[in-house]
Amino acid sequence: EPEVTQTPSHQVTQMGQEVILRCVPISNHLYFYWYRQILGQKVEFLVSFYNNEISEKSEIFDDQFSVERPDGSNFTLKIRSTKLEDSAMYFCASSEDGGVLDEQYFGPGTRLTVT
Amino acid sequence: KNQVEQSPQSLIILEGKNCTLQCNYTVSPFSNLRWYKQDTGRGPVSLTIMTFSENTKSNGRYTATLDADTKQSSLHITASQLSDSASYICVVSGGGADGLTFGKGTHLIIQP
Repeated sequence: EPEVTQTPSHQVTQMGQEVILRCVPISNHLYFYWYRQILGQKVEFLVSFYNNEISEKSEIFDDQFSVERPDGSNFTLKIRSTKLEDSAMYFCASSEDGGVLDEQYFGPGTRLTVT
Repeated sequence: KNQVEQSPQSLIILEGKNCTLQCNYTVSPFSNLRWYKQDTGRGPVSLTIMTFSENTKSNGRYTATLDADTKQSSLHITASQLSDSASYICVVSGGGADGLTFGKGTHLIIQP
């Protein structure tokens, strides 16, 4: 069964450093998403992406964040200058057509630790 | 502000017993409500999706209900198994490519 994959599974970085989190969505999916989950808290929407453009973004997704689909398979989340409060689990998701009942399939997550 | 509230926060039951988890939401516009299962350290996995016109949907031992008038939903788990131990998250969608609004989840522990 096709699945969303994410790398790395765990990333440790120092405050102020740039990090890139990588995701490979399911191959025939057209919509891509990033979510984050701070330890012990709920999952929060960051951004959705379609046709090489951001479709929606939340207040969390400020100028420090960017997303890119550099090739036909990868979808990346970049944090330019990490802060301690960026420490969280980051989930990538993809869906087939972004329709009302479209199923979003989540990857296993990347745990980001900022020290 | 869109909110999804779940209760209880945590629940411990014996294997084989049934349980019901609750969800209240104030999300507008409303398109659909989803229940997800999230194992520790893993991404959420969808259990059910319901639109406002549906009031019940089953997926094996999981049965979700929705009352769009009162903005309440429940997830009933029948004959629980040890593998049901996980967080169960109520998620509301405004539709389309909009992000999903997640509840904090109910942490369910099944004891042998």
